[in-house]
Amino acid sequence: AQSVTQLDSHVSVSEGTPVLLRCNYSSSYSPSLFWYVQHPNKGLQLLLKYTSAATLVKGINGFEAEFKKSETSFHLTKPSAHMSDAAEYFCVVSVSPAGNKLTFGGGTRVLVKP
Amino acid sequence: DAGITQSPRHKVTETGTPVTLRCHQTENHRYMYWYRQDPGHGLRLIHYSYGVKDTDKGEVSDGYSVSRSKTEDFLLTLESATSSQTSVYFCAISSDRGNNSPLHFGNGTRLTVT
Repeated sequence: AQSVTQLDSHVSVSEGTPVLLRCNYSSSYSPSLFWYVQHPNKGLQLLLKYTSAATLVKGINGFEAEFKKSETSFHLTKPSAHMSDAAEYFCVVSVSPAGNKLTFGGGTRVLVKP
Repeated sequence: DAGITQSPRHKVTETGTPVTLRCHQTENHRYMYWYRQDPGHGLRLIHYSYGVKDTDKGEVSDGYSVSRSKTEDFLLTLESATSSQTSVYFCAISSDRGNNSPLHFGNGTRLTVT
């Protein structure tokens, strides 16, 4: 069965410093992986997705993620945090043949300090 | 934002009463989903629909039913609300099945069962 684990429930960074959000997955099939962001009182928005093309995926707002099959990881990074990055981030896996049935991680809440 | 409207945005109801949440889309997408969000659990799929009158269960479907009589509307009904169903409910849509289809989310309905 597919599963996804976000290793940190909370991350605190200073504005202008790098952000690292860690995600590990397990899957019996070749997965598609996504990162979504949720700002307070809003729905989720897609940041980026990996679908077996390039292992380094670039997303919106300066975020990128690297797919490492050997480590079953899909960590999200950003070189320089901005105050507007304060939100909750979800790592998501979708596995064939389940199609659009997604499994969400528990979320990582990011706090950005001025 | 994708054209997704959830109603109501907030609801308080008593244990044992039926409750219906509505999701309306203007994108003409084939796939629609209901998720619930609880702290530490990320989002969990309740039911989804892959066309008019075509629905299937997700991982937490007990106590919930859905209906889709028109492409644009997907209704979630709690047959007899319980306190464990206090949650934030999100509707999502996607244009296609498969691992490559990102979801677009509504802004959520906060349901409290007293």
